[in-house]
Amino acid sequence: GQQLNQSPQSMFIQEGEDVSMNCTSSSIFNTWLWYKQDPGEGPVLLIALYKAGELTSNGRLTAQFGITRKDSFLNISASIPSDVGIYFCAGQGQGGSEKLVFGKGTKLTVNP
Amino acid sequence: GAGVSQSPSNKVTEKGKDVELRCDPISGHTALYWYRQRLGQGLEFLIYFQGNSAPDKSGLPSDRFSAERTGESVSTLTIQRTQQEDSAVYLCASSLIWSGPTDTQYFGPGTRLTVL
Repeated sequence: GQQLNQSPQSMFIQEGEDVSMNCTSSSIFNTWLWYKQDPGEGPVLLIALYKAGELTSNGRLTAQFGITRKDSFLNISASIPSDVGIYFCAGQGQGGSEKLVFGKGTKLTVNP
Repeated sequence: GAGVSQSPSNKVTEKGKDVELRCDPISGHTALYWYRQRLGQGLEFLIYFQGNSAPDKSGLPSDRFSAERTGESVSTLTIQRTQQEDSAVYLCASSLIWSGPTDTQYFGPGTRLTVL
């Protein structure tokens, strides 16, 4: 099935550093979502973006919905050890569909 | 509990056997989704239900895969004659109402299926 292009695949950072990851698509989406998945758990929604150009923050997380509706980025500021996990972007609303189309994930490791 | 629950959490089966995976959505959620997550990959959409009907089955990989939902509640995903490539985590999600692309999907913990 179709997947979004998410990068980087993995990141190893020191506690306190900022992190940035992004997703691109050849198709337009109406909604961009960012999820975090911990081992053995389902994804948990972090941020949802509904309008092109929208910039939304949730605590130390900031995400933007690209103007072209074909990309999005997620920034994490001042990382802490509990930020460890796999972050997925997802697009929704392509062709009027409700299904989510996911990126392959960015695995984040934070060294204390 | 208030979240989406799935059972079993782990299932090991032999190639050729049939398996049934169960999803209990959040009470009152009318939309239900099944996704598959292969190791190291993102989630792949399989099927979604609006109430008891399935408007989009486009993600089902083959006719060995089927799903049903009864009473706008529990859903079961059935895989017949399992193959090794079916090994994955199967995730279920539910959302409150299907009214457009703004309904948050809440995920269960998944069922890890291993086909030997």
